[in-house]
Amino acid sequence: GQNIDQPTEMTATEGAIVQINCTYQTSGFNGLFWYQQHAGEAPTFLSYNVLDGLEEKGRFSSFLSRSKGYSYLLLKELQMKDSASYLCAVRDSNYQLIWGAGTKLIIKP
Amino acid sequence: TAGITQAPTSQILAAGRSMTLRCTQDMRHNAMYWYRQDLGLGLRLIHYSNTAGTTGKGEVPDGYSVSRANTDDFPLTLASAVPSQTSVYFCASSEGQGGDTQYFGPGTRLTVL
Repeated sequence: GQNIDQPTEMTATEGAIVQINCTYQTSGFNGLFWYQQHAGEAPTFLSYNVLDGLEEKGRFSSFLSRSKGYSYLLLKELQMKDSASYLCAVRDSNYQLIWGAGTKLIIKP
Repeated sequence: TAGITQAPTSQILAAGRSMTLRCTQDMRHNAMYWYRQDLGLGLRLIHYSNTAGTTGKGEVPDGYSVSRANTDDFPLTLASAVPSQTSVYFCASSEGQGGDTQYFGPGTRLTVL
């Protein structure tokens, strides 16, 4: 079967750094996406990785290791507005997205 | 810019009734998708359309139908609603098919009693 695993919930402090992990087992791999979803709102695109390594975009970075079936999203200089759920999704061999259940990130002052 | 719109925002529906959730995009994207999102579960694909005139079944298609008469609109119909269809429904679109970056509508919160 296909499986995406993320922690259910994480807590971090404003101004700190947090790493959200995602491990996957899918039928094929054609890229990994991270989306942000604020409570009661739609998911919005954050990042995309298809090759191994780190992709940096401002305060957010995403890392991929295809051999380990592993990715992480790194958020630096945390702000209160970063309180949201972070969704990991893998594009499988049929080019369909398989979604993780999401990690709820709580930022404390 | 509108992007993707969905209607209604929320709805309470009696079991056994039918309902159509509307989705319209103005980005001229080829592909469109319907997902449901339930607490503790990832987004689950109900149906998709890679281009106008074609549709396909996703992971959880039973009890739902779709049509894609034109590029912009992708309505989702529940023929006879059941309580297990209580969920938040998101419509999304992407420029190309096959899991290109997807852009989501604001969602419809549906409660079936």
